[in-house]
Parts: sequence; C-alpha cells; structure tokens
Amino acid sequence: GAGVSQTPSNKVTEKGKYVELRCDPISGHTALYWYRQSLGQGPEFLIYFQGTGAADDSGLPNDRFFAVRPEGSVSTLKIQRTERGDSAVYLCASSSGRGYEQYFGPGTRLTVT
Amino acid sequence: GENVEQHPSTLSVQEGDSAVIKCTYSDSASNYFPWYKQELGKRPQLIIDIRSNVGEKKDQRIAVTLNKTAKHFSLHITETQPEDSAVYFCAPSPGKLIFGTGTRLQVFP
Repeated sequence: GAGVSQTPSNKVTEKGKYVELRCDPISGHTALYWYRQSLGQGPEFLIYFQGTGAADDSGLPNDRFFAVRPEGSVSTLKIQRTERGDSAVYLCASSSGRGYEQYFGPGTRLTVT
Repeated sequence: GENVEQHPSTLSVQEGDSAVIKCTYSDSASNYFPWYKQELGKRPQLIIDIRSNVGEKKDQRIAVTLNKTAKHFSLHITETQPEDSAVYFCAPSPGKLIFGTGTRLQVFP
C-alpha cells in the first residue's frame, strides 16, 4: 500500500511568516510522529500522536510550534512567526502503535529566509 | 533526558569487509532498538530492529546484537557493498525514537 506522504516537499518562507506542513500516514496507523532534522544531525523528536490526541509533545521547542490530528489520520504541523533557526527537514513517521516500527515520509524541507 | 551515542562517527571499509557500529544509550525504559539507514537527501529507512527480550537478530548480511544490562546495541554488516554507503542511525526507543549522532559508512570498491 501507499507509504507516508508529506506536503509540500519544499517550502521557502520569509522570517516572521506562518507555515503549515502536512503529513498523511499509512492507512490504519494509529501512531504518528513528527521529527526535525538539521543538516548533519539525526532526526530530533517533536511530538507524538496516538489517535487524535497528542500523547507526548515534549520535543516541541517553544510555543510557536503546534500540531493537530483532528480525525486521527492526517496531521498538520504549524509554525508561527518563523525564524531562520527553524530551517530544517521536517519528517513525519507513522506506526501501528507505540513501540512498533516507524515508517518515515520523504520530509518537507523548510527554508526560512 | 536520554543520551544516545554512536561509535565510530565515520567508518571506511573495503568492499567485502565487515562493518560494526556501536550505540550506547542511557534510558533504561528503552525496549525497542532499531537501526536506520539514510542516504543523502532521502528519508531514514528501517533496516533491522530488535526488542529487549532478544539478544541477537540477523537478516541476511545485517545483524543486531543487544546488551541491555550494559545499555548498548550494535549493527553488524558483513560482505559490505558500495551501496551500503550511507549514514546509519541507532534510535533506542522508550516509545518515541531517540536518534543517535549517526555513523557515516563509506564502502570503497
């Protein structure tokens, strides 16, 4: 079946603007994760959803970052007042449950100018 | 928080040789231990994983060994091929993946 998809693949925005990044998980996967990967580093955990609720948001760097998953499928990561330091690849992953294999999407490369 | 380290940070081997990458972690709640391969500009791909009730798992040329007491697990690749060249990440998990610092493996023909 289809894997995890993310849109857009690339996003360039100006400092101070608002952006939304979308993730479509594998059908039937109840767990959804967002990670951020800066150049030369490993992915860094941001937030984990189990169904519609955020079960762990301890990785969100500050209150400019917010994510939703209203129907337990598609998720949107929202970043307000973007800063140049937010530039990174934002990866989404899904799994059939907590502690199971996570499958990654292709990522969204965000560039803040 | 969780501290995850990988050694070595870079590894160069000749085609056909073996490669071993070690991952140490600090969170005793970790119970799932995957290894991911990431090629330049691509997404991380799961190549092998192990759970805390098993000491070793093998899949063709790739194996993972776990020492939960010492809090480390290792990736073993035998008969390396140039297409094995990539960055490898361990990601011990108490639920969410905590990625290591990465190991750049280069396999020379």
